[in-house]
Amino acid sequence: GQNIDQPTEMTATEGAIVQINCTYQTSGFNGLFWYQQHAGEAPTFLSYNVLDGLEEKGRFSSFLSRSKGYSYLLLKELQMKDSASYLCAVRDRDYKLSFGAGTTVTVRA
Amino acid sequence: ETGVTQTPRHLVMGMTNKKSLKCEQHLGHNAMYWYKQSAKKPLELMFVYSLEERVENNSVPSRFSPECPNSSHLFLHLHTLQPEDSALYLCASSQDGSSSGANVLTFGAGSRLTVL
Repeated sequence: GQNIDQPTEMTATEGAIVQINCTYQTSGFNGLFWYQQHAGEAPTFLSYNVLDGLEEKGRFSSFLSRSKGYSYLLLKELQMKDSASYLCAVRDRDYKLSFGAGTTVTVRA
Repeated sequence: ETGVTQTPRHLVMGMTNKKSLKCEQHLGHNAMYWYKQSAKKPLELMFVYSLEERVENNSVPSRFSPECPNSSHLFLHLHTLQPEDSALYLCASSQDGSSSGANVLTFGAGSRLTVL
C-alpha cells in the first residue's frame, strides 16, 4: 500500500506564505495531486505533478521530487479564503490513487 | 445543474434502517467513485465504476451496496450499518476510469451520515 504523510495543521498570517509538505512511499509512481477542501464542501483540484519540478498557477505552486518521494504546495499572498484542508494524493504504478489525511490551514488576520 | 450533485446532504439513521445515497454527475464522465471520509483520516476508496461496470471494490462490508444504473448516476445502498460507519461519503467522477493522463477527480459535496 501507500504511505502518505503531511502535517495535520498549519497556521499563517494573511499576506504571508505557507508551504505544505507531503512525503510518500508508493509502489511505483504515476502522478501526485493536490486538492483543496473547505469545511462542508467538495474537495477541488488544485494541481497535478508527474515530472520533477515546480508547477505554478497564480498564487499556488506545487513542487515534486520523485527521487525523494517529496512534494510541497506553496500558497503565496495568503487570503482568509485560503483557510481550508489541503489533501495530497499519489497514484501508484497500478494507477491506484491514495490520499493523505490532509493539512488544515488556518489564515489569521 | 453542473458538476457532481449528492443527496441527501445529511442523513441520520438507526442501525436497522435501510437508506440510499444518490450521486449524479453532469460532466459527461465515464467513471464514478465512492469515497469515505472520516475525521483526521485519509479518504478511503470504496468503489469504482467505469462505463457502468464495477472495476474496484476495496474490501467494503456487504452492508454497503453500490449501484450504477448509467454513467451519470451512482447510488450507495445502506443496510444495518454500525455507528463506526458514521462519516462523510463523497462521490466523485472522472473522464476515464483507466487513469491514464491526469484523470482529475471531480467531487460532490458529500453526504454526512450519522448512524445511531
